[in-house]
Amino acid sequence: GQNIDQPTEMTATEGAIVQINCTYQTSGFNGLFWYQQHAGEAPTFLSYNVLDGLEEKGRFSSFLSRSKGYSYLLLKELQMKDSASYLCAVNTGGGNKLTFGTGTQLKVEL
Amino acid sequence: DAGVIQSPRHEVTEMGQEVTLRCKPISGHDYLFWYRQTMMRGLELLIYFNNNVPIDDSGMPEDRFSAKMPNASFSTLKIQPSEPRDSAVYFCASSSGLAGGSQDEQFFGPGTRLTVL
Repeated sequence: GQNIDQPTEMTATEGAIVQINCTYQTSGFNGLFWYQQHAGEAPTFLSYNVLDGLEEKGRFSSFLSRSKGYSYLLLKELQMKDSASYLCAVNTGGGNKLTFGTGTQLKVEL
Repeated sequence: DAGVIQSPRHEVTEMGQEVTLRCKPISGHDYLFWYRQTMMRGLELLIYFNNNVPIDDSGMPEDRFSAKMPNASFSTLKIQPSEPRDSAVYFCASSSGLAGGSQDEQFFGPGTRLTVL
């Protein structure tokens, strides 16, 4: 089976840095995605990792360690609009099939 | 491009009724996905198509669910008969397939919020 774990909730302060972790145990691995989902809206793509290491995109960075089955999403200079659910998803092989974690609800406070 | 289009946005129906959800993918995208999202189970893949052909329907919960893609610009997800436990948000997504599939970003539609009474 496929198992993807993320913390359920996190709270952070505006302007701070937060790291959202994701661990996975899947039957196949063909890349890991992070999506952001605001309440009542559709998920939107944030990042993609397939090789070990850090990918940086503005205030957002994503890290992958395939040997450890581990990824994190790093959000810097937090803003109130970053309050959302962050979904970790693994491409388990076979075209573009994604298995999603249940998401981490991030609340940014003043 | 208008993005992925789904209709209806909200659907309220009674148990036992047939429900049909509709999706128009982004023009030129080769992959189309149907997902269901609930608080308890998160976002689950139900079925996906490549070039209008169903590739993996292992996530379809039972025979009451069926999906079709008669052409590259239209897909339907049908539930017959519907049950209260089918209440969820149903998302359709599409991706281009240009990067060979595995690293392609999926673009999600706004979703259909289904309530079965």
